[in-house]
Amino acid sequence: GENVEQHPSTLSVQEGDSAVIKCTYSDSASNYFPWYKQELGKRPQLIIDIRSNVGEKKDQRIAVTLNKTAKHFSLHITETQPEDSAVYFCAARDQAGTALIFGKGTTLSVSS
Amino acid sequence: DGGITQSPKYLFRKEGQNVTLSCEQNLNHDAMYWYRQDPGQGLRLIYYSQIVNDFQKGDIAEGYSVSREKKESFPLTVTSAQKNPTAFYLCASSIGSHNEKLFFGSGTQLSVL
Repeated sequence: GENVEQHPSTLSVQEGDSAVIKCTYSDSASNYFPWYKQELGKRPQLIIDIRSNVGEKKDQRIAVTLNKTAKHFSLHITETQPEDSAVYFCAARDQAGTALIFGKGTTLSVSS
Repeated sequence: DGGITQSPKYLFRKEGQNVTLSCEQNLNHDAMYWYRQDPGQGLRLIYYSQIVNDFQKGDIAEGYSVSREKKESFPLTVTSAQKNPTAFYLCASSIGSHNEKLFFGSGTQLSVL
């Protein structure tokens, strides 16, 4: 079945710096890759997603890139702000389309 | 916090006891999911349901049971067979049945007495 590896597990940056979180997946047939943000004590929320027919997608300060050949995708956050501090989860949808397999999460800390 | 509601927020289970976690959504979503979140482990799928009266096991279904008698409701029962039930449980729903754009509830923290 699908397996998703996420790195790093923790990431600390200064306000204004960029942050990059990387994920790799095992199932070459996976075709949908969302990113969720979970602030402390709150529910996960979808922040951006990308399909396998697209190489890059941007939404303001957030971007996701996908390399299907290498089977990895990355979340890029530019001009980080303290409110970006949270746990970020990547996920990949399995071949059958019936389940999202999540990475173990990255705790991002942005210090001002 | 409208849309998808989980209750209770905190729940305690005694040895040998079954407990049921509630999940209700008023988003008219077709699919509903239960995930378990352990520290440093990400989210793991327990059960999911794409339509009423139908559900499938996820990766860690052992010791859990569900029902989907109404579109709006997807309760999860943690049975006594689940030997390590302490975790944060998240319910989610999506418009279609393809796991896109999940909306999550606020979660239930289950602990063992």
